[in-house]
Amino acid sequence: EVQLVESGGGLVQPGGSLRLSCVVSGFTFSSFWMSWVRQAPGKGLEWVANINQDGSEKNYVDSVKGRFTISRDSAKNSLFLQMNSLRAEDTAVYYCARGGASSGFHAYWGQGTLVTVSS
Amino acid sequence: DIQMTQSPSSLSASVGDRVTITCRASQSISSYLNWYQQKPGKAPKLLIIAASSLQSGVPSRFSGSGSGTDFTLTISSLQPEDFATYYCQQTYSAPLTFGPGTKVDL
Repeated sequence: EVQLVESGGGLVQPGGSLRLSCVVSGFTFSSFWMSWVRQAPGKGLEWVANINQDGSEKNYVDSVKGRFTISRDSAKNSLFLQMNSLRAEDTAVYYCARGGASSGFHAYWGQGTLVTVSS
Repeated sequence: DIQMTQSPSSLSASVGDRVTITCRASQSISSYLNWYQQKPGKAPKLLIIAASSLQSGVPSRFSGSGSGTDFTLTISSLQPEDFATYYCQQTYSAPLTFGPGTKVDL
């Protein structure tokens, strides 16, 4: 059974940092692109970043470039999102999602972790 | 960046109705278009891949069509469990943008 489990969310002050983790199981982690997708309260889905199988290619939405860093550790079957210089508008549920062998669709999602940026 | 729009933003329907949702891309994305369903408090669920391929396990009342810039998701006979919000997403090029969503309610 494919599982993705996020952790690391919480309350952080504006300008602060947080590191999200996503541990996966049930599939060969090193064979798939991985993404982070977020959803602000009451709003739609926003794709945040993705990373290819060996971590050599990363893409970001403009609003997080220079502040967020996506990474992965195949030995730990884990995906990460380092979030720095957080802003109120980063408040959202953050989902990790499995991509395809060549980026593509997201067939599997975690349950999400809530990040709240507030003083 | 490729912008995605959806229409309508919301619709009211009844069980048994045929429902059609439209998604438009700001430039041609070939068939790199996927559809998701999301219910409150839950993660999105993949319905349609590459514009028209039904994801495994998804009921056949869901179908997708289109290519280039214009796409359609159709629910042939709405069931009670289909009341949800539907999103399209292009995976032609990064950033992999989502449409703003279409809420289907009673």
